[in-house]
Amino acid sequence: DADVTQTPRNRITKTGKRIMLECSQTKGHDRMYWYRQDPGLGLRLIYYSFDVKDINKGEISDGYSVSRQAQAKFSLSLESAIPNQTALYFCATSDFGTQTGELFFGEGSRLTVL
Amino acid sequence: GESVGLHLPTLSVQEGDNSIINCAYSNSASDYFIWYKQESGKGPQFIIDIRSNMDKRQGQRVTVLLNKTVKHLSLQIAATQPGDSAVYFCAENRAGGGYQKVTFGTGTKLQVIP
Repeated sequence: DADVTQTPRNRITKTGKRIMLECSQTKGHDRMYWYRQDPGLGLRLIYYSFDVKDINKGEISDGYSVSRQAQAKFSLSLESAIPNQTALYFCATSDFGTQTGELFFGEGSRLTVL
Repeated sequence: GESVGLHLPTLSVQEGDNSIINCAYSNSASDYFIWYKQESGKGPQFIIDIRSNMDKRQGQRVTVLLNKTVKHLSLQIAATQPGDSAVYFCAENRAGGGYQKVTFGTGTKLQVIP
């Protein structure tokens, strides 16, 4: 089983709908992240969390919200989806003690907003 | 502003040859530089990192070179294999306050020709 699991893997929705992407991890890491990947733009950080009581905005947080339900669970919500939120979304984790920038990624959730 | 970018979007290499993937960065304050590999349909996977006070680091079939004078990073893959076909991202990390601020480049697609 994957250490970082994302659900759903694929989702097609309509403009204005509320969407939640879920992430769970078995690595025991405190730090969790949500990234967005668009062709030609690499990965951009949406939100990150140090622990269940700590949530921080990344570089592109507008239109998104997150919830850290437990150490192992971090969900991303789009309250009212719009077409330019069509992208591949990745959840990632990192260990408290590491300084190198090593992130452990899930396999991604592809979201299409019509 | 900070940026991490790549010179070439696509690189085609004959199987068995060596591959060199290049990356330019602009932020001199980064603590670590990292290379990630992303295979089709999967999340990015950590390959190797190099601390900012080093100029070379070797792993298994991979070598990362850092030239701080010209702000250039490269990933060398020896004896390239079909399994090396993927998109490669360089990234930089500025660790501070317990959070790893990892900024990704746009990626280079490596195609291995059998």
